[in-house]
Amino acid sequence: QKEVEQDPGPLSVPEGAIVSLNCTYSNSAFQYFMWYRQYSRKGPELLMYTYSSGNKEDGRFTAQVDKSSKYISLFIRDSQPSDSATYLCAMNQDTPLVFGKGTRLSVIA
Amino acid sequence: NAGVTQTPKFRVLKTGQSMTLLCAQDMNHEYMYWYRQDPGMGLRLIHYSVGEGTTAKGEVPDGYNVSRLKKQNFLLGLESAAPSQTSVYFCASSYVGGTGQPQHFGDGTRLSIL
Repeated sequence: QKEVEQDPGPLSVPEGAIVSLNCTYSNSAFQYFMWYRQYSRKGPELLMYTYSSGNKEDGRFTAQVDKSSKYISLFIRDSQPSDSATYLCAMNQDTPLVFGKGTRLSVIA
Repeated sequence: NAGVTQTPKFRVLKTGQSMTLLCAQDMNHEYMYWYRQDPGMGLRLIHYSVGEGTTAKGEVPDGYNVSRLKKQNFLLGLESAAPSQTSVYFCASSYVGGTGQPQHFGDGTRLSIL
């Protein structure tokens, strides 16, 4: 079992929809959780950062961490065509970041 | 503000040729990383460095060598390129490693081995 599992999609939604992206993980030692966004032919860029359990909100984006279930989520409200990208979850404690494989999202105008 | 810069952006090699990919960061970060990204495989760590003069193996180190002679630079070498090394290579850096520090990425080097 890979340490971090993420559905690769692709996920296609209409503009304005609420998007839910998820990852599960197996290592209970992970304390730091991140979401990266990667546009086509670009490097990943940090989108959200969360420590331990709980929620964090930044504009249209909300990150949730449920350590008891080893499950993290990223919600995008009022999705826009500019949100079309691949979203990667990442996490660690005392190691280099461990990444999910990424979910490709398309928001259709 | 350049951040992480990778050179070259594209390269085509023949099997058996050698080359070096250069990564430079201007954020005074201690840690630097090399990843490869392949369809369906996600980002896989090749090697990383926790400071000038140090290197460590990642998940897929075979066929690659690295050097960190200067804090701002991290080089990835392919001594004898193989078609299986066709990939997009990303360099990243972070202030420190492990304890939740986010990594900052370059825009990648697209490498094809014929």
